[in-house]
Amino acid sequence: EDQVTQSPEALRLQEGESSSLNCSYTVSGLRGLFWYRQDPGKGPEFLFTLYSAGEEKEKERLKATLTKKESFLHITAPKPEDSATYLCAAVASGGSYIPTFGRGTSLIVHP
Amino acid sequence: DSGVTQTPKHLITATGQRVTLRCSPRSGDLSVYWYQQSLDQGLQFLIQYYNGEERAKGNILERFSAQQFPDLHSELNLSSLELGDSALYFCASSVGVGTYNEQFFGPGTRLTVL
Repeated sequence: EDQVTQSPEALRLQEGESSSLNCSYTVSGLRGLFWYRQDPGKGPEFLFTLYSAGEEKEKERLKATLTKKESFLHITAPKPEDSATYLCAAVASGGSYIPTFGRGTSLIVHP
Repeated sequence: DSGVTQTPKHLITATGQRVTLRCSPRSGDLSVYWYQQSLDQGLQFLIQYYNGEERAKGNILERFSAQQFPDLHSELNLSSLELGDSALYFCASSVGVGTYNEQFFGPGTRLTVL
């Protein structure tokens, strides 16, 4: 069974304190790994797609990386507006292209 | 704003009732997905439609059904509602069905079953 595990469940940072979120996946052949940001009571907002080990993508203070077993979302010098839940999802090889989502990491950045 | 719209935003109903949730995908998107998000289960895939046809099915209960209409909007029907069906229901859309097509999520419908 495909599984995606995110850690930590919750993370509190001071503004400017860089850190990383982890997404560990167990799928039968990875087709793609997605990162989303979700604000309370809102729908997930797409951030990145990664397809192969070694791939990296950046957007403002966020950088996503991928290995054969996990993905990291690095947050550099975070600001309070980066506070949100970050979800990762993996799409496995096979007939469908349906992502399996992790439970998310709730990030709070204090000013 | 993702371009995906969902109505209603909130829905409060009683056990045993039936409700319909509506979703309009982004302009040009042919694929629609439905997800359920609860505190204890996270985001769970329910069902996917592509250009009017069912494409994939996830952990969708038999009491739930969906369809996608010729104008590409979709409806999720939930019947014989139970307390445990209280959750956020999201619709997402994408251009196609492949991995390269990231999904864009709507704002969700919060369903409360009393």
